[in-house]
Amino acid sequence: DQQVKQNSPSLSVQEGRISILNCDYTNSMFDYFLWYKKYPAEGPTFLISISSIKDKNEDGRFTVFLNKSAKHLSLHIVPSQPGDSAVYFCAASVAGSARQLTFGSGTQLTVLP
Amino acid sequence: DTAVSQTPKYLVTQMGNDKSIKCEQNLGHDTMYWYKQDSKKFLKIMFSYNNKELIINETVPNRFSPKSPDKAHLNLHINSLELGDSAVYFCASSQDLLAIEQYFGPGTRLTVT
Repeated sequence: DQQVKQNSPSLSVQEGRISILNCDYTNSMFDYFLWYKKYPAEGPTFLISISSIKDKNEDGRFTVFLNKSAKHLSLHIVPSQPGDSAVYFCAASVAGSARQLTFGSGTQLTVLP
Repeated sequence: DTAVSQTPKYLVTQMGNDKSIKCEQNLGHDTMYWYKQDSKKFLKIMFSYNNKELIINETVPNRFSPKSPDKAHLNLHINSLELGDSAVYFCASSQDLLAIEQYFGPGTRLTVT
């Protein structure tokens, strides 16, 4: 039962263009959503998050959009840079005894110079 | 100056053996986690500890036993290793149980032959 889904295993974009990574979820109880970036042989590093009460959060080149009615979120990277090439994981969190993260399967982003 | 560290980075062992993976965080966080990344690339929560106390145990076989000697360390001991235990294991920490952001270690790739 995948509560967080990333249906695109890979995405290639040209340097300088916009990268859009998508994520869908099924659990309405999720109240925070996060994006993590992962380079090979390293652990995931936190990129940006959004509360379920917001529909947009921006941090520099990274913007996350949340559409609660569609249970969909997306990460926009503008402009894309070769150093952005990595696997991007969408994750969701629900308040409880502890905030465990439920991850999607990741999208490999390749930014072509 | 590594925030969350794990040892070893790679571990190759035979079925039936017992092995341990160590995790240390120098962030002063109260909460630590173990995640397993399976062959389909999903990261799934295994355990969560808060101030040395077990909070989450996500239907993990009891061959897996976490141990937290202090709040900066969370080790994972695995008895009677099976082929299906082959995966990448990530340790993570967060400031407390309510914190959204989790900081991940570099991972330990376990291969059981």
